[in-house]
Amino acid sequence: QKEVEQNSGPLSVPEGAIASLNCTYSDRGSQSFFWYRQYSGKSPELIMSIYSNGDKEDGRFTAQLNKASQYVSLLIRDSQPSDSATYLCAVTIPGNYGQNFVFGPGTRLSVLP
Amino acid sequence: NAGVMQNPRHLVRRRGQEARLRCSPVKGHSHVYWYRQLPEEGLKFMVYLQKENIIDESGMPKERFSAEFPKEGPSILRIQQVVRGDSAAYFCASSPLKTEAFFGQGTRLTVV
Repeated sequence: QKEVEQNSGPLSVPEGAIASLNCTYSDRGSQSFFWYRQYSGKSPELIMSIYSNGDKEDGRFTAQLNKASQYVSLLIRDSQPSDSATYLCAVTIPGNYGQNFVFGPGTRLSVLP
Repeated sequence: NAGVMQNPRHLVRRRGQEARLRCSPVKGHSHVYWYRQLPEEGLKFMVYLQKENIIDESGMPKERFSAEFPKEGPSILRIQQVVRGDSAAYFCASSPLKTEAFFGQGTRLTVV
């Protein structure tokens, strides 16, 4: 069973704090890892991609990947109320003809002013 | 910005009618994915297609649902004889091989 797991939340953090979102996956063959943000009533929006072990930083966002532990995380520094959304972790599962994207259930983040 | 285009954005159908949802991928993307999302729930995978081929339809209900991605034109998700339980947001995403997938704005289907 290929699964991606996330804490459903809600995760509440005060404005200006660091929000830490976690994701685990079951398929060791997973090759690519993504974080999407979804505002209520909107479509998912890609915010980070990471392909190799370690950290990747983009502005206030840092993605961390540990393939040995099958663990991906997203840190949001200086959290803002506008970061309040559901964050979806996605991994790709390679196949004979391409790759499929498997999404976690999402973590709802609430940044309190 | 020629992103993923879905239409219609909103679709109302009476029970028993057919719903056709269209998805035009980003130019050059040959992989299309369809997902369904109920309010306050996560994305549920439905089907993965490449041009003229269904790669993985493990998330599609066995009856009433079908999908295609022809050589020319958009990908189509077709729901026959809709029921109230089909009411949901349907998202399409496209991807070139081995990189990110980008989502369209979705089609909100309401069955009355």
